[in-house]
Amino acid sequence: EPEVTQTPSHQVTQMGQEVILRCVPISNHLYFYWYRQILGQKVEFLVSFYNNEISEKSEIFDDQFSVERPDGSNFTLKIRSTKLEDSAMYFCASREHQETQYFGPGTRLLVL
Amino acid sequence: AQSVTQLGSHVSVSEGALVLLRCNYSSSVPPYLFWYVQYPNQGLQLLLKYTSAATLVKGINGFEAEFKKSETSFHLTKPSAHMSDAAEYFCAVTLGGYQKVTFGTGTKLQVIP
Repeated sequence: EPEVTQTPSHQVTQMGQEVILRCVPISNHLYFYWYRQILGQKVEFLVSFYNNEISEKSEIFDDQFSVERPDGSNFTLKIRSTKLEDSAMYFCASREHQETQYFGPGTRLLVL
Repeated sequence: AQSVTQLGSHVSVSEGALVLLRCNYSSSVPPYLFWYVQYPNQGLQLLLKYTSAATLVKGINGFEAEFKKSETSFHLTKPSAHMSDAAEYFCAVTLGGYQKVTFGTGTKLQVIP
C-alpha cells in the first residue's frame, strides 16, 4: 500500500542552523501539508500546498519557514534559522481529491 | 472554523473491557471526522473516518465510531480492549477541500492486564 515517507527520522541541530525536512508524498496525491507536534502537545497545522503554491498557513509558519516541491516527488520544509522552540515532531501529509490526509512517520527535530 | 474536544486526556481500562474515547466537534458546515492513533515514537495512523455516508463507521483493529449530529459527537469504541491498543488517540476534523485537519488534544489509552 502506498505511504508517505519522511527523511530523516531524527535530526539534531544547533540553534541558528538551517534544516531541511524531506517528504515523499503518495505519488498521485495533489495536496500536501506540514504539521508539527511539540512533545506532549497536540498536532498543529503549519501549511498546506497545492498547485505549487501555499494554500493556507498558520501563524506558526512565519518567515523562518518555507516549503518547496523541487521536483515531481519531494516536498520539503525548510527552517532557516532554528530556535529551541522549533524542537518537535514534524509530520508531512498528503491527499488526493477526497478528504483523507495520509500522514508520514514524522521527523523528530531537536534544536540544541 | 472547526474544532474538536476530547474529554479525558488519560483513560485506563482493563484488558477485555469496553473502550470508549469521547470526541465532540464544532463545525459551521458538515464536517469530515477522523480518528488517528499514535503508538509511542511513531507517526499517525488512520483508524477510521466519517465522510457523510454511514453514521456508524468501522475501522481497523476492531474500533468503530458513531457520528451523532444531534450530540455533535464522534465517540470511538471497541468492545474488548487488548494490550496492543495502548496508544494515544486523536480525534480530528476537516471541512474538506484543501482544508487543514484540526486535531484534538489526544487521549492516552492505558490497558491494564
